[in-house]
Amino acid sequence: EIVLTQSPGTLSLSPGEGATLSCRASQTVSTSYLAWYQQKPGQAPRLLIYATSSRATGIPDRFSGSASGTDFTLTISRLEPEDFAVYYCQQYGTSPFTFGPGTKVHVK
Amino acid sequence: EVQLVESGGGLVQPGRSLRLSCAASGFKFDDSAVYWVRQAPGKGLEWVSGISWNSLNIAYAGSVKGRFTISRDNAKNSLYLQMNGLTTEDTALYYCAKGYNWNDHIDSWGQGTLVTVSS
Repeated sequence: EIVLTQSPGTLSLSPGEGATLSCRASQTVSTSYLAWYQQKPGQAPRLLIYATSSRATGIPDRFSGSASGTDFTLTISRLEPEDFAVYYCQQYGTSPFTFGPGTKVHVK
Repeated sequence: EVQLVESGGGLVQPGRSLRLSCAASGFKFDDSAVYWVRQAPGKGLEWVSGISWNSLNIAYAGSVKGRFTISRDNAKNSLYLQMNGLTTEDTALYYCAKGYNWNDHIDSWGQGTLVTVSS
């Protein structure tokens, strides 16, 4: 089973600042098979990014994804008030399709 | 509009069984892979199980393998999760979710059904 490790566990930032979230895989994950989701309290997760860098429908361009080897990154260029949430990465190349433990982005 | 509506959750004693259902609408269910993802109270997401459109690909998380069985009925646009030998560790909100192909991201989620395992 592929284990995904996300860092940091928590990010304390202010609106307008940039955020860099990391997701590291224990084994090779093709860039075709890595997604990022956003979850707010009391809500189901929402797809942000798939195939490492493709934005889902309706996702603003301040969200971007990239990869280097087994390290994947979600970047939020300028945090808006609605971006404070928990972010999960998921690999869906090798079953079981595991999630990372999440990074919570909260208001400083 | 894609809709995934879970049902079947509730309070169950350890060691007992429960069957979850997910009713799908608004998309071609028989063309889609579908999954169960759970979230324990205050915890992160855990991928539980998935099944491809034709049921030829099925997978489980190690934590549920041998106890849970996923199935689907394309004629009824429905997904199921039979959960046996429940433990307190299975207490969670269970989401039904869909992708396109087997190796695919999740593009839609239900609102979840809560399973509480307690004596």
